[in-house]
Amino acid sequence: EDKVVQSPLSLVVHEGDTVTLNCSYEVTNFRSLLWYKQEKKAPTFLFMLTSSGIEKKSGRLSSILDKKELFSILNITATQTGDSAIYLCAVEAGRGGGATNKLIFGTGTLLAVQP
Amino acid sequence: NAGVTQTPKFRVLKTGQSMTLLCAQDMNHEYMYWYRQDPGMGLRLIHYSVGEGTTAKGEVPDGYNVSRLKKQNFLLGLESAAPSQTSVYFCASSYSGGPQHFGDGTRLSIL
Repeated sequence: EDKVVQSPLSLVVHEGDTVTLNCSYEVTNFRSLLWYKQEKKAPTFLFMLTSSGIEKKSGRLSSILDKKELFSILNITATQTGDSAIYLCAVEAGRGGGATNKLIFGTGTLLAVQP
Repeated sequence: NAGVTQTPKFRVLKTGQSMTLLCAQDMNHEYMYWYRQDPGMGLRLIHYSVGEGTTAKGEVPDGYNVSRLKKQNFLLGLESAAPSQTSVYFCASSYSGGPQHFGDGTRLSIL
């Protein structure tokens, strides 16, 4: 059975701290791994990773994928209170034939950044 | 751009009632999806569509039906609502090979 596991489940830090969120997966026919940020409403897209060892970066956020060890990390440096959210990891796993973009989500990491 | 729009935003139903959730996207995406999100369970795929007129089952399809009569719209129906279907429902859309973009969700309570 395909599964995506995120850790930690929750995390409390102070502004300015650096955090690392983890995502491990066991899926058949891996296609891509995606990170989303969910505040009060819609999950918003952060990164899509398909190749090992290539860091993707956007401002204070960065992410990297290790396809050999089957995990990804999301780093946030110099955290701010606006970073408080649930961070979701999802994996697209193919079933042969055409891509369907079907995602398997982890349960998320709840990050709270205190002033 | 509106992106992905879901209606309604909130709804309370009685057990056995039926209703339809509407999802509309203005990004010309081929693929559309319906998820439910429950505490401790993450997002789970209910049904999805890879194009107008096509639908397929996801991880938790029982008790739901869908239709994709127009490319921009994806409807989720509950024929006979049950308390176990109390959840937050999200619609998403994407290009083939691209990231999914989500609507703001519909919070549904079934008494």
